[in-house]
Amino acid sequence: EVQLVESGGGLVQPGGSLRLSCAASGFTFSSHWMHWVRQSPGKGLVWVSRIYSDGSGATYADAVKGRFTISRDNSKNTLYLQMNSLRVEDTAVYYCVRDKGVWYTSSCPDYWGQGTLVTVSS
Amino acid sequence: DIVMTQSPDSLAVSLGERATINCKSSQSVLYSPSSENYLAWYQQKPGQPPKLLIYWASTRESGVSDRFSGSGSGTDFTLTISGLQAEDVAVYYCHQYYTPPYTFGQGTKLEIK
Repeated sequence: EVQLVESGGGLVQPGGSLRLSCAASGFTFSSHWMHWVRQSPGKGLVWVSRIYSDGSGATYADAVKGRFTISRDNSKNTLYLQMNSLRVEDTAVYYCVRDKGVWYTSSCPDYWGQGTLVTVSS
Repeated sequence: DIVMTQSPDSLAVSLGERATINCKSSQSVLYSPSSENYLAWYQQKPGQPPKLLIYWASTRESGVSDRFSGSGSGTDFTLTISGLQAEDVAVYYCHQYYTPPYTFGQGTKLEIK
């Protein structure tokens, strides 16, 4: 069974930093592209970032470019999102999402974690 | 960026009837060499993460009820839910994975009439 378990969320002041982690199990993590998608309270889904299976190909939404960094450790089956210079508007549930695509085959997000809440407030 | 626009924003349908949700992309998401539309549909129930229903515009994800079907090509797509059941109450999102930044529609809230 595919499992994605996010951690690292919490309350942080504007300008602060957080590092989200996503522990993956139940599939060959090193074969799949991975994404982070966020959802502000009561709002819709917003794609944040994507990384290829080998750790290359990091891509970001304009709203987080230069502040967030996606990475992965395939030896630990773990995806990360380093979030710096956090803003009030970054407040959201952050979902770790597996892509159906393997290796360099593009496809769509399929399995989603339960999400971790990041609250940016003074 | 590709803008995804869903219609309607909300709809109420009677049990057993058909629900239709539309999604329009600001540019084509059809990849001509493969003739695949890079368009997916998700269902999100309150307090839960989204669930993949349809990908490649019309391919049903494994385990998804055959009451859910997707159609369309290029820039215009439709999600159809036939024989509406109470468990179908949710917000539905279309999503383009043609090119980053990947984008979602604003969501359509489906309720029972």
